[in-house]
Amino acid sequence: DGGITQSPKYLFRKEGQNVTLSCEQNLNHDAMYWYRQDPGQGLRLIYYSQIVNDFQKGDIAEGYSVSREKKESFPLTVTSAQKNPTAFYLCASRQQGFGNQPQHFGDGTRLSIL
Amino acid sequence: QQPVQSPQAVILREGEDAVINCSSSKALYSVHWYRQKHGEAPVFLMILLKGGEQKGHEKISASFNEKKQQSSLYLTASQLSYSGTYFCGTVKGYGQNFVFGPGTRLSVLP
Repeated sequence: DGGITQSPKYLFRKEGQNVTLSCEQNLNHDAMYWYRQDPGQGLRLIYYSQIVNDFQKGDIAEGYSVSREKKESFPLTVTSAQKNPTAFYLCASRQQGFGNQPQHFGDGTRLSIL
Repeated sequence: QQPVQSPQAVILREGEDAVINCSSSKALYSVHWYRQKHGEAPVFLMILLKGGEQKGHEKISASFNEKKQQSSLYLTASQLSYSGTYFCGTVKGYGQNFVFGPGTRLSVLP
């Protein structure tokens, strides 16, 4: 079955540590997205990529980094510069086009500070 | 630019109806609707494209008025399972990025 796999489901970060969240899709989608969601809040865009080896900052990119070396993979690194990383992180993918394609989401990763 | 959703929250009794609105200050090509239950990922409900179409999903339907740059989601005879946060998402044109609204929290009580 096609879908998006995020791992791990839960992640704990120590002070000063970088952590990487994995996102893999087998839907053959061009575009991939990372969102951050704080409790009771909406979805805020961190980074997105419309094609391999290219990505753009979203609304809250500071303290995060990404890479897109393969179409299937879009890992997100939460760096030590992100002082408040505790949140629910969602990865999504979408087939680019005229806006008639939905976003598909992974199950998310919950990140907490130790 | 993020679309605007109203109301921010709504509480219903089972069997009642609700309407959630999504509007944008920019011209839209399409509007997407998603529902997110607590602690889970958003689930896709439907897409509406330019042309004023109306679509349905069980007892949930939606309309899109591109002249007014707004969409409405209609929940008829609500069920307990309809509880969650509803997000609209908009796309302005080909290859344009997808932007989510802030969400509307819907609570259906027995």
